[in-house]
Amino acid sequence: DAGITQSPRHKVTETGTPVTLRCHQTENHRYMYWYRQDPGHGLRLIHYSYGVKDTDKGEVSDGYSVSRSKTEDFLLTLESATSSQTSVYFCAISDGRGSPLHFGNGTRLTVT
Amino acid sequence: GENVGLHLPTLSVQEGDNSIINCAYSNSASDYFIWYKQESGKGPQFIIDIRSNMDKRQGQRVTVLLNKTVKHLSLQIAATQPGDSAVYFCAELTGANSKLTFGKGITLSVRP
Repeated sequence: DAGITQSPRHKVTETGTPVTLRCHQTENHRYMYWYRQDPGHGLRLIHYSYGVKDTDKGEVSDGYSVSRSKTEDFLLTLESATSSQTSVYFCAISDGRGSPLHFGNGTRLTVT
Repeated sequence: GENVGLHLPTLSVQEGDNSIINCAYSNSASDYFIWYKQESGKGPQFIIDIRSNMDKRQGQRVTVLLNKTVKHLSLQIAATQPGDSAVYFCAELTGANSKLTFGKGITLSVRP
């Protein structure tokens, strides 16, 4: 799994509660990404980071925020979870443009 | 993740036969392409990549072909094995940033 740890692996939460997912890497890669995967939609980019404290939005960023205070950690926060955010969330890392992304094993989030 | 294969087209092949998985990409300016394999409950796993200055690249039991004229990418798997059963995604990289665009995926089912 290319030294990527996602936590928690599973979470059930109620609508309106805040949720933070964590991605930790041991590869010292510059780029980190958060994707969500839903049946019929494939992988969609939420946010990404191109360095410590440097982040940008992806195609489905509404309702999500991220932070990267250290190279190895990239946090995804749902400020107020909604049922539409029920999904499997994947973190990925890469060491630069033109290098493949390597993915963690995902976090399954259920918002009830 | 789980159920990632729902709503996807399926390719069924006999064990031992060669598999060809096709992908039409969207942007003629894309210059880097990747194939991923995803098993149930796991994150996408890098298989092989190719840059736009090449039209063929081989790995262990896998070959990727790139036809830029018709914007077509294919993954060939030789002597398909039951362990090859999974969902396969292509991804393309366009522009100066490092954001990949993923295809919806194809489910490969290997018959014993």
